[in-house]
Amino acid sequence: DQQVKQNSPSLSVQEGRISILNCDYTNSMFDYFLWYKKYPAEGPTFLISISSIKDKNEDGRFTVFLNKSAKHLSLHIVPSQPGDSAVYFCAASAPYRGSTLGRLYFGRGTQLTVWP
Amino acid sequence: KAGVTQTPRYLIKTRGQQVTLSCSPISGHRSVSWYQQTPGQGLQFLFEYFSETQRNKGNFPGRFSGRQFSNSRSEMNVSTLELGDSALYLCASETGDQRDTEAFFGQGTRLTVV
Repeated sequence: DQQVKQNSPSLSVQEGRISILNCDYTNSMFDYFLWYKKYPAEGPTFLISISSIKDKNEDGRFTVFLNKSAKHLSLHIVPSQPGDSAVYFCAASAPYRGSTLGRLYFGRGTQLTVWP
Repeated sequence: KAGVTQTPRYLIKTRGQQVTLSCSPISGHRSVSWYQQTPGQGLQFLFEYFSETQRNKGNFPGRFSGRQFSNSRSEMNVSTLELGDSALYLCASETGDQRDTEAFFGQGTRLTVV
C-alpha cells in the first residue's frame, strides 16, 4: 500500500529551465514532508523539508510547495543544472508515539535528467 | 562531523546463509532506522531503534531483525537469505527526540544473494 506516490518515474529538462517534481500522498496524518536526492551507489541526501503548517518553503534554487487539501506537494528547481541530475524521492512522516519522527514513507522516486 | 557509516559496502551471500550489516550513526544521534531499497519497491522501512529499543517496525518477515548498542551503533541481521533479499540496505540516523528534523543516510550496503 503506497501511501506516498510519485507518478512520474522520469523527467527531462533543459539546463536553465524549471524542474517540477510532483508527489501525492494518501495519509491525512502526515504532517512533515521531505525531499531527498540520490545518486547511484550513494545514500539519499536531504534537500528540503516542509511542515504541514506551511504551504511553501524555499532554500536557494529549491522550493517545496504543499497543498494539504489536495494532498499534493511539489519540488521546484530553478534554474536547473546538469549536476541536479539524480533520482529525487519524496518522503512523509506522521506523529508517532509523541513527538518523535520514527519512520519515513517514501515514494518510488523520479529520475531527473538535466541536459545542456 | 562524521556522517553515517555503513559496513560493509558490498556483500555477496548464498541462499540460506545469514548476514549482519552494521551502521554507525552521526555522533549524538540516538535513533537509527533501516530501509531496504529495491528497483520495484523503492525505499521500504524495516525498523527503527532508539536508545537500544525497537520503537517502530515495518512489514518485513521475522528473518529480518536488528539491535542497537549503548553507543547507538546498530546492526541488522537477515537469516535464511532468499534471492529476493538482494537489495541496497540503507541506514539513517537522527536525533530521535524531536519532530521536524531530517534523517541522514549512510551510503548503504549492497547485498547480493546468489
